[in-house]
Amino acid sequence: GQNIDQPTEMTATEGAIVQINCTYQTSGFNGLFWYQQHAGEAPTFLSYNVLDGLEEKGRFSSFLSRSKGYSYLLLKELQMKDSASYLCAVSPNDYKLSFGAGTTVTVRA
Amino acid sequence: DSGVTQTPKHLITATGQRVTLRCSPRSGDLSVYWYQQSLDQGLQFLIQYYNGEERAKGNILERFSAQQFPDLHSELNLSSLELGDSALYFCASSGAGPYQETQYFGPGTRLLVL
Repeated sequence: GQNIDQPTEMTATEGAIVQINCTYQTSGFNGLFWYQQHAGEAPTFLSYNVLDGLEEKGRFSSFLSRSKGYSYLLLKELQMKDSASYLCAVSPNDYKLSFGAGTTVTVRA
Repeated sequence: DSGVTQTPKHLITATGQRVTLRCSPRSGDLSVYWYQQSLDQGLQFLIQYYNGEERAKGNILERFSAQQFPDLHSELNLSSLELGDSALYFCASSGAGPYQETQYFGPGTRLLVL
């Protein structure tokens, strides 16, 4: 089976930085994804890592260490609209995504 | 807008009934995935189709079935509905983006079983 762990909740102040960690144990590895999901809405794609290292996309960055089974999503210059659930998902093979339970980030003024 | 469409947006029905959810993938995508998301659970993968063929199965109940048609749209059929089937059902598609595996989600169908 697949095991993907991430914190349940995090709170941060507007303008600050928040790091969401994700650890995984899967039967195979074909990439790690981060999605953002606002309540009642569809998950939207944020980032994809398949090689070790940091991928930067504007205010969002994602890091991967395959040997440690570890990733993080870094959100910089937090805005109120960043309040959402952030889902870590691992592709064990080409066909499926296994999702973590999600981390609810609350941004306070 | 991801380019994935789902209908209907909302569905209210009674226990024991049968419903059909419909999904149209993004232009060029050959893979369609179905997920269930309940309040107390994360996204649960149900089933995947690729170019009309079933490719992977997740935690899909026997009361549920799906298919993908030649025009690549997909339908998820839920029968003998129970209260616990109330959830958000998402369809996602992949294949034509910069990363082949990236899944793009539709807006979902909110199902309420009374």
